[in-house]
Amino acid sequence: EPEVTQTPSHQVTQMGQEVILRCVPISNHLYFYWYRQILGQKVEFLVSFYNNEISEKSEIFDDQFSVERPDGSNFTLKIRSTKLEDSAMYFCASGGDRQTEAFFGQGTRLTVV
Amino acid sequence: RKEVEQDPGPFNVPEGATVAFNCTYSNSASQSFFWYRQDCRKEPKLLMSVYSSGNEDGRFTAQLNRASQYISLLIRDSKLSDSATYLCVVNTGGPAGEDAGNMLTFGGGTRLMVKP
Repeated sequence: EPEVTQTPSHQVTQMGQEVILRCVPISNHLYFYWYRQILGQKVEFLVSFYNNEISEKSEIFDDQFSVERPDGSNFTLKIRSTKLEDSAMYFCASGGDRQTEAFFGQGTRLTVV
Repeated sequence: RKEVEQDPGPFNVPEGATVAFNCTYSNSASQSFFWYRQDCRKEPKLLMSVYSSGNEDGRFTAQLNRASQYISLLIRDSKLSDSATYLCVVNTGGPAGEDAGNMLTFGGGTRLMVKP
């Protein structure tokens, strides 16, 4: 069964450092998402991406964040200068259509120290 | 007002019980609706889509009431393995063809604990 894969599963980084979280969406999907979940809190939308551009972003997704689909298969989330409050589980998801469900990767646990 | 609202629970039920979860959403333009399940520290996994006519998948039944902006999930004959957090998810993307954003908005989840 096709699945979304994310790497790394866990990343520890120093405050102020840049991190890149990587995702390989399901191959024939066209809609891509990043979500985050702070421990004990709800799943929060960050950004959606379609046709090589951002289609929607939340107020969390400020100038410190960027997304890219560099080679037609990978989908990356970059945080330029990490803060302690960026510590969370980051989930990538992909969907085949605008109105359909999305399938989630297993997540990257980001710990900023 | 929260966009997607759920009772956080926890709902503590014995094995074999029937349990129902409710969810309300604020965006009347929402087009599609889902229930996801999330186990502790794991990713959300699709449980079922919710259709206007209501739909059933084994022990699980989902209902949608667009007029009241309300979604429900009924679990019959609860199993220990049903213990998880159930997430109500609403797609607030625009209709196909419109240049509107596309996002899935999650409720805070309802925690279910099924006891022996």
